[in-house]
Amino acid sequence: GNSVTQMEGPVTLSEEAFLTINCTYTATGYPSLFWYVQYPGEGLQLLLKATKADDKGSNKGFEATYRKETTSFHLEKGSVQVSDSAVYFCALIPAHAGNMLTFGGGTRLMVKP
Amino acid sequence: SAVISQKPSRDICQRGTSLTIQCQVDSQVTMMFWYRQQPGQSLTLIATANQGSEATYESGFVIDKFPISRPNLTFSTLTVSNMSPEDSSIYLCSVTGTGQAPQAFFGQGTRLTVV
Repeated sequence: GNSVTQMEGPVTLSEEAFLTINCTYTATGYPSLFWYVQYPGEGLQLLLKATKADDKGSNKGFEATYRKETTSFHLEKGSVQVSDSAVYFCALIPAHAGNMLTFGGGTRLMVKP
Repeated sequence: SAVISQKPSRDICQRGTSLTIQCQVDSQVTMMFWYRQQPGQSLTLIATANQGSEATYESGFVIDKFPISRPNLTFSTLTVSNMSPEDSSIYLCSVTGTGQAPQAFFGQGTRLTVV
């Protein structure tokens, strides 16, 4: 079946540090890949997405590249801010599955000033 | 894009009672999804709600515990029945956008605490 695996948290970084949150997936064909962010006390927001191999999604300084050969979609940011503290979820929608999302376990990021 | 209004945003309920969560979308959608997010956990799909037919439940979720209504293409409700403290979670409504690339949109969630 389809699955998403992402690194366990919490990830604790100092402000302006480089961030990587690993995400790998299992799915047939070419799923669409997503990163969602959940700020404290809020719902899920789409952060970025990529729909085909080698696509790079980017938003708010975050980037992730769809790597078919390694079935990965790692999230990166060159310089994190305290306001980036949140839980990040990697997710996929399979190529033919009625648009149902499969989520990874979530990674909590804590950025200290 | 789609804007989803979900209510209530939070509630504290007594065990043994039921709570109905409402989800309103600003456009017509075929499928609506209900997720549960237990404390410190990821999201788990409860069921898929299609207009005009019974909801499709995922393994571990049953209609008697989580009855769902879908009276039209813009609205759905999820009821958490006979609640226990283990039902304390965030419940989220979701829809997917149309177009070439799929994308999911979420309501702000309902934070339920059962005491």
